[in-house]
Amino acid sequence: GNSVTQMEGPVTLSEEAFLTINCTYTATGYPSLFWYVQYPGEGLQLLLKATKADDKGSNKGFEATYRKETTSFHLEKGSVQVSDSAVYFCALWPFTSYGKLTFGQGTILTVHP
Amino acid sequence: DAGVTQSPTHLIKTRGQQVTLRCSPKSGHDTVSWYQQALGQGPQFIFQYYEEEERQRGNFPDRFSGHQFPNYSSELNVNALLLGDSALYLCASSHDWGTQNTGELFFGEGSRLTVL
Repeated sequence: GNSVTQMEGPVTLSEEAFLTINCTYTATGYPSLFWYVQYPGEGLQLLLKATKADDKGSNKGFEATYRKETTSFHLEKGSVQVSDSAVYFCALWPFTSYGKLTFGQGTILTVHP
Repeated sequence: DAGVTQSPTHLIKTRGQQVTLRCSPKSGHDTVSWYQQALGQGPQFIFQYYEEEERQRGNFPDRFSGHQFPNYSSELNVNALLLGDSALYLCASSHDWGTQNTGELFFGEGSRLTVL
C-alpha cells in the first residue's frame, strides 16, 4: 500500500538557519506529492505541491523537488523565521484514489529568535 | 469567501456515547472528506462524500458513518465511543477530482473530541 515516512522530530532551529525535513514515500504509479503545514490552533494548509517527477514546488521560501529515483520529496528553506514554527506534513495522492491523501506522521518545527 | 467551517470545536463525551460532528465546505466545493488525527500523528482518511454518497472509505469500523446534504455540508457520526476515538477530526473540501483535479484539499480547523 501507499505510505509516507518523515524524518523523526521535533526539529529546533535558530532564526535564519537552514531547514531540511526529509520525506520518502512508497506508492504504485506516479503520485502527486504535497507538503501541508499546521500552525498552532489551526487546520492544515497546503504549503506546496508537485505533480510529476523532477517538478519543484515552492511557496513562502520553502521548496521541495519530486525525486522519483529516490522516492523523496524533502522540504527545504534557506532561512527560517520564528513564524515558521508549526507542524509540517508530507502527503501523497495516488491520482487514482479520489481524495484519499496519505500523510506522514508530521514533523514539529520550532524556531527560536 | 468563507473557508471550511467545523462545529463544535471541542467536545467531551464518555465511553459508549454517540457524537455528531458537522462541516460546511468551502464555497464552490462539492466534495467533503473526513480525517482523524490522533495526537502526534498524521491525519488518517475516514471517508469521502460526493453527490450525497460515500465514495471511498478508509480502514475505520462501521461505528463511523457520515452524511452529505444537498448543500454539500456533511456530518460525521461516531457510535459507541471508545477511549481510542479521542482525536482531532478534520473535515476537508475540494472540487470533484474528475474535472478539476489538483489534488489540493482545504481543511477546517477541526473538532477535538475527548472520550473519557
